[in-house]
Amino acid sequence: DIQMTQSPPSLSASVGDRVTITCRASQGISNSLAWYQQAPGKVPKLLIYAASTLQSGVPSRFSGSGSGTDFTLSISSLQPEDVATYFCQRYNSAPLTFGPGTKVDIK
Amino acid sequence: QVQLVESGGGMVQPGGSLRLSCAASGFPFSGYAMHWVRQAPGKGLEWVAYIQYDGNNKYYADSVQGRFTISRDNSKNTLYLQMNSLRTEDTAVYLCAKTGRSGWFSEYWGQGTLVTVSS
Repeated sequence: DIQMTQSPPSLSASVGDRVTITCRASQGISNSLAWYQQAPGKVPKLLIYAASTLQSGVPSRFSGSGSGTDFTLSISSLQPEDVATYFCQRYNSAPLTFGPGTKVDIK
Repeated sequence: QVQLVESGGGMVQPGGSLRLSCAASGFPFSGYAMHWVRQAPGKGLEWVAYIQYDGNNKYYADSVQGRFTISRDNSKNTLYLQMNSLRTEDTAVYLCAKTGRSGWFSEYWGQGTLVTVSS
């Protein structure tokens, strides 16, 4: 099975900082990669699919890039409401796999 | 708007069974594949099962293969997860999710139902 890793496991940044999270697949998955945000006590919310397509309603400060095995999620200017755990997921075939998550806090 | 409402969770002893339901509304249910995803307390997300829009194709995580069965009733706009031979490690919040139009990503999520397996 294809494994997904994320780095860093957690980060702390100041409001207004640019934040970048990396997701890596153990094999190539083309662009079949989604990013989800899970705020504390909430259910996951889709941010990005097809590696770089912003879901409707998601603020434009979020962006995604990558293809094959290496992907990134960027937040151009971190806001207090962005405190959450971020998960990547490959969806090219079953079994679908989530990354372990990256917890983002405000410094 | 899209609504997904899970039910059927609760406490069960190891080896027991439960059936979860997910009532869908706000979209053409019969036109979309669906997932079950679970999250153990304080842990990450684990994909559990997938069912094609018409029920003809189903896939499972290795951890539940042979014990869980995903199904759907398109006439009732409802998704199900039959869970048998439950283990303590199955304790989690179970969430149903609607796939996207262009792929198997989870576009919308329900609020989840808690399953606790304990003696």
